[in-house]
Amino acid sequence: QVQLVQSGAEVKKPGASVKVSCMASGYTFNSYGITWVRQAPGQGLEWMGWINVYNGNTHYARKLQGRVTMTTDTSTSTAYMELRSLRSDDTAMYYCGRGGVVFPTAVGNNWVDPWGQGTLVTVSS
Amino acid sequence: DIVMTQSPDSLAVSLGERATINCKSSQSVLYSSNNKNYLAWYQQKPGQPPKLLLYWASTRESGVPDRFSGSGSGTDFTLTISSLQAEDVAVYYCQQYYSTPYSFGQGTNLEIK
Repeated sequence: QVQLVQSGAEVKKPGASVKVSCMASGYTFNSYGITWVRQAPGQGLEWMGWINVYNGNTHYARKLQGRVTMTTDTSTSTAYMELRSLRSDDTAMYYCGRGGVVFPTAVGNNWVDPWGQGTLVTVSS
Repeated sequence: DIVMTQSPDSLAVSLGERATINCKSSQSVLYSSNNKNYLAWYQQKPGQPPKLLLYWASTRESGVPDRFSGSGSGTDFTLTISSLQAEDVAVYYCQQYYSTPYSFGQGTNLEIK
């Protein structure tokens, strides 16, 4: 079955960086995009960005531009999200999810399904 | 950017009764060339990641009970649970995937009355 397994919880100090991994299985990795979403404690879902695994193109949320980088390693079917210059308001659960089909033809089905289990990132001095 | 606004923020419904959640987009998410609405609904239970319920505004994901239905077009959408079950207690989110950023609504907290 299609599954996304994320790396474990992280505790970081303000100003540091974090890199969360998301290992996919059960489907052809480079035929879909990967979406990243975060959720601050007790809050709603915030779309962070999306990467086309086939060609590496990315779309980032404007508020995270310059601090976030999304990459993939197709040899291990793993996606990565790195967030730099961490602040306390970056404390959140970070989710990856499979996005829409990108190969052989993008069909616009860019909902998120399935989701990874989440990675809690805590930023605290 | 498209802003998604859900109503109400919270809702309490008796078991077996109908629950209705609304979602409004700041601009149309209907793509005229294929007549599809680029709108999804998710369910999130405490301590779990969200789960896809519906896509293209009204297509149920495999395995989702048929008491869940979606309707609407353009900028106004509705998620309906026809007969509320105890396991439906959750927060529900709509999301547009018409244009990036693929924004979410703020969520609707559904409880049992």
